[in-house]
Amino acid sequence: QSVLTQPPSVSGAPGQRVTISCSGSSSNIGAGYDVHWFQQLPGAPPHLLIFNNNNRPSGVPDRFSGSKSGTSASLAITGLQAEDEADYYCQSYDSSLSGVIFGGGTQLTVL
Amino acid sequence: QVQLQESGPGLVKPSQTLSLTCTVSNGSVSIGDYYWSWIRQPAGKGLEWIGRIYTSGSTNSHASLKSRVTISMDTSNNQFSLKLSSVTAADTAVYYCARGRPAGDGYNTYYFDYWGQGIRVTVSS
Repeated sequence: QSVLTQPPSVSGAPGQRVTISCSGSSSNIGAGYDVHWFQQLPGAPPHLLIFNNNNRPSGVPDRFSGSKSGTSASLAITGLQAEDEADYYCQSYDSSLSGVIFGGGTQLTVL
Repeated sequence: QVQLQESGPGLVKPSQTLSLTCTVSNGSVSIGDYYWSWIRQPAGKGLEWIGRIYTSGSTNSHASLKSRVTISMDTSNNQFSLKLSSVTAADTAVYYCARGRPAGDGYNTYYFDYWGQGIRVTVSS
């Protein structure tokens, strides 16, 4: 059971918009710690997608965006493409655990 | 750009110590403001942070693994290492090393901007 809760799976048709939620608590996201997002393609290591809640590293398309509010965060993907099919993970910090925490991951299927 | 590469045995016997090394290229493990980290992923499951060593040499690890984890740094070879003692089948996973970059949120937290390709470690007799 992960400290950050994500839906196990989401899906969408090409061109559509999907969102992936990341729900935490007062000891992590709600305490003000930033949220970061990773994309993991099959057989590959995770790749940084969003850092500090809503910032994209260079090279990441602006179809990907992040937001944070209260004890939750979200990743939005617009203009869905077949190549977006992957697992997505959120990451933050938890003061009770004194360490880095990840969400359980969400598998995105492009229909 | 920074590159990380894990190395070590792919098979470890139960109760023994898992030892992995991460070699860093195009960057120094002892310079700058970075948290050199280990993360693992059991097959078909999510990511689990194991621990980290800061460029100063200070370490921190996951509360549930703290008694079994040792992370160290070898500045002469620009490497950092993980030792996980008393392993069981539950420690079977792909192990990644990664560079933690400060998040700048005022809490000394960080995110992972560079990752190694990962090394599969199986615990079995």
